[in-house]
Amino acid sequence: QLRLQESGPGLVKPSETLSLTCTVSGASISSTSHFWGWVRQPPGKGLEWIASINSSWSTFYNPSLKSRVTVSVDTSKNQFSLKLTSVTAADTAIYYCARPDYSGGWYPSFDYWGQGILVTVSS
Amino acid sequence: QSALTQPPAASGSSGQSVTISCIGTSSDVGGYNFVSWYQQHPGKAPQLILYEVDKLPSGLRDRLSRFTGSKSGNTASLTVHGLQAEDEADYYCSSYAGGNTVIFGGGTKLTVL
Repeated sequence: QLRLQESGPGLVKPSETLSLTCTVSGASISSTSHFWGWVRQPPGKGLEWIASINSSWSTFYNPSLKSRVTVSVDTSKNQFSLKLTSVTAADTAIYYCARPDYSGGWYPSFDYWGQGILVTVSS
Repeated sequence: QSALTQPPAASGSSGQSVTISCIGTSSDVGGYNFVSWYQQHPGKAPQLILYEVDKLPSGLRDRLSRFTGSKSGNTASLTVHGLQAEDEADYYCSSYAGGNTVIFGGGTKLTVL
């Protein structure tokens, strides 16, 4: 049973960098060709795809966030990570890590989700 | 890329059917058969309920048999048949938007009367 768990600071100051990690259990990041993704949801608002990465470090980014986002993968820890620079209050959101069931490459839907982590941007 | 357009709210009585629309453009919904729908209960993560317009995720086909999807032009639709109290939730559509990107709709709050 695949499980995803987000972790990281719940509070980040404006202009600083948001850093989150997703720990994967029940599957090995390095043994599959799945893409692993990040999706966020501002409180009371809709979903927004941020980026996706696979174990070969092939990455795809939301064009509206691309200049501020970096995703990475650590196969030794079975984790993948998100960094979002120069954050503002508009980046306050629940951040989810997620993965599609499809393993043939990047895929535009997500079957598996973490529980989410609320990150607040405030001084 | 602009978010897909969904009605903010929808409602129906128990046992009835309700349809939620998702309006995009020829660059997303209209251009590809990669529309997905998610159900999200309060305080929970979204759950995939349909993908590729009308396909049910494996392992959930029995539980999700009352959900159907369709697409016509730039508009995708989700229909919930035989509404039940447990269907009360937020529903989000998404679509492939080219260039290995995906966009979501703003969400629809479904109320079961």
